Amino acid sequence: GNSVTQMEGPVTLSEEAFLTINCTYTATGYPSLFWYVQYPGEGLQLLLKATKADDKGSNKGFEATYRKETTSFHLEKGSVQVSDSAVYFCALSDNTRSQGNLIFGKGTKLSVKP
Amino acid sequence: GAGVSQSPRYKVAKRGQDVALRCDPISGHVSLFWYQQALGQGPEFLTYFQNEAQLDKSGLPSDRFFAERPEGSVSTLKIQRTQQEDSAVYLCASSHRDRSYNEQFFGPGTRLTVL
Repeated sequence: GNSVTQMEGPVTLSEEAFLTINCTYTATGYPSLFWYVQYPGEGLQLLLKATKADDKGSNKGFEATYRKETTSFHLEKGSVQVSDSAVYFCALSDNTRSQGNLIFGKGTKLSVKP
Repeated sequence: GAGVSQSPRYKVAKRGQDVALRCDPISGHVSLFWYQQALGQGPEFLTYFQNEAQLDKSGLPSDRFFAERPEGSVSTLKIQRTQQEDSAVYLCASSHRDRSYNEQFFGPGTRLTVL
């Protein structure tokens, strides 16, 4: 079945460091891919998405490219800020079901120190 | 505008009690999803509604779990005879349509602790 594997945390970085959070997936066909973020005390929010191969999603300085050949959707940011501290979830839409419910990775906790 | 709201935010139940968790989706959203998030894990799909119709309940872990959305807006997830393994955060999400690329908007969740 469909699944998502993302790098385990926690990840601790200094402000302005480069961030990569790896995400790979297993799926039949062409699922849409997402990164969701959960800030402390808040609900899950969509950070970015990509709906087809080679698409790049971007938002708030974060980017991820849908790589079908490597079944990956790694999240990157060139210069993190303290305010980026949160838990990041990679997800795909379950394309075996028409409603598109999401399948999530386990999450990666990011802490950015000043 | 108002987002997805859930109540209560926290619920403590004794083992064997019944609980009811409420979700108010964004007005006009056709699709509504329930997810269960265990500690340190990502959310896992429980059930899906399109308007008032429950089209997929394949993720419900047992027949003690029941969900409804009688008028196509507010939804209730009910857990009967709660067990300790039911302790988790229950998330509700809504989206405008039922396509896989549509953004799902999540509520803050209800944290259920079963003693």
